Amino acid sequence: GQNIDQPTEMTATEGAIVQINCTYQTSGFNGLFWYQQHAGEAPTFLSYNVLDGLEEKGRFSSFLSRSKGYSYLLLKELQMKDSASYLCAVMDSNYQLIWGAGTKLIIKP
Amino acid sequence: DAMVIQNPRYQVTQFGKPVTLSCSQTLNHNVMYWYQQKSSQAPKLLFHYYDKDFNNEADTPDNFQSRRPNTSFCFLDIRSPGLGDAAMYLCATSRAIEGNQPQHFGDGTRLSIL
Repeated sequence: GQNIDQPTEMTATEGAIVQINCTYQTSGFNGLFWYQQHAGEAPTFLSYNVLDGLEEKGRFSSFLSRSKGYSYLLLKELQMKDSASYLCAVMDSNYQLIWGAGTKLIIKP
Repeated sequence: DAMVIQNPRYQVTQFGKPVTLSCSQTLNHNVMYWYQQKSSQAPKLLFHYYDKDFNNEADTPDNFQSRRPNTSFCFLDIRSPGLGDAAMYLCATSRAIEGNQPQHFGDGTRLSIL
């Protein structure tokens, strides 16, 4: 079966750095997406990785290792508004998105 | 400027009473998706359209139907809602199905069943 694993919840301090991990087992691989979802709102696109390595976009970076079936999202200089769920999603060989359940990130002052 | 618009944001219906949720897009994207998302769970894909080609997920109940009368609009019909259908329903679009095309989501419709 296809599976995406990410921690259920994480807590971090305002101004700090946090890394949210995602491991996956899918039928094929056509890229990995990270989305941010605030409570009661729709997911918004953050990043896309299809090749190994780090993609940096402002305070957010995303890393991919295809051989390990592993990705992480790195958030720097955390702000209170970063409190949200972060969803990892992998596109399989049929171009279908397989979604993780999301990691709820709690930011404390 | 909302690009994927869902109406209404909140919908209340009675057990067994048909309900229709709507989605429109100004992105002129070829693909439109309907997801169901329950609290603290991953979004679950119900259907998607590539242009007019309809794709039903194998485990989507027959109680759920969809229509896409034109490129801009897509509807989700729940013929006889049960208590287990209470959820957030998300509409999304993408330029294409392949590769690096992210999905753009509307704000969702939260459906409650009385």
